[in-house]
Amino acid sequence: AQSVTQLGSHVSVSEGALVLLRCNYSSSVPPYLFWYVQYPNQGLQLLLKYTSAATLVKGINGFEAEFKKSETSFHLTKPSAHMSDAAEYFCAVRGPGRSQGNLIFGKGTKLSVKP
Amino acid sequence: DVKVTQSSRYLVKRTGEKVFLECVQDMDHENMFWYRQDPGLGLRLIYFSYDVKMKEKGDIPEGYSVSREKKERFSLILESASTNQTSMYLCASSPLDNQPQHFGDGTRLSIL
Repeated sequence: AQSVTQLGSHVSVSEGALVLLRCNYSSSVPPYLFWYVQYPNQGLQLLLKYTSAATLVKGINGFEAEFKKSETSFHLTKPSAHMSDAAEYFCAVRGPGRSQGNLIFGKGTKLSVKP
Repeated sequence: DVKVTQSSRYLVKRTGEKVFLECVQDMDHENMFWYRQDPGLGLRLIYFSYDVKMKEKGDIPEGYSVSREKKERFSLILESASTNQTSMYLCASSPLDNQPQHFGDGTRLSIL
C-alpha cells in the first residue's frame, strides 16, 4: 500500500537559510512523487514531480527534490529561503486503484520564514 | 493556462440542508477529484471520477455523493449537511494517469 510521511508539521527558518522539508514514502509500485505548495486561502500548486527519470528534480521558485530509493525519501530543499516561501507544503505519491491519477498526500509541513 | 474553477470561495449552510459544490475544468481532463482538507489531517479523498458518469469512492465517501454528467463538471453533494462536514473542500483534475493534479482555490464550507 502507498503512504506518505512528512516529518515535522511546522518548520521555521531564517530568511536566507537552507530549507529542508522531509518526505518519506511507501509504495508497492514504482513511485510517482510530487511536491505541492499551498499559500493561504488558495488551492495547491505543483512545485515539482518525480516520474522515474532524473533522481534530482528541479521545480519552480528555486526548489528541488532528490529521489533516494534506498532511503525511500523525496526531501524538498531550497538553498536560500525567502519570505515569500512561507506556506504549507505537501508531499504526495501515486495511489492505488483503477485510476492511477489518484494521489495520496502527506499531512503537510507549514514553513515559516523569519526576517 | 490550466484552470479549475470552484463555484464558491465561502459558503454557509444549515444542518440538514442539501449542499451542492460545483467544480469546472477547462482542460479536457479525464480525471476529476474532490478532497476535504482539515488542519493536521492533510487532504483526504472523498470521491473521484475517471470519465463521464463514472465515479469511485475515495477514503471518506460517507455523507457525500457526486455527479459527473459532463466531462468538464464534477459536483460534490452533501445529502444532509452536518456540522462535522465543516471544512475546506478542494477540487482537482488531471489528464492521463500519473500526471499532476491541478487544483481549484477551494470552497470553505461552514455548516451551522
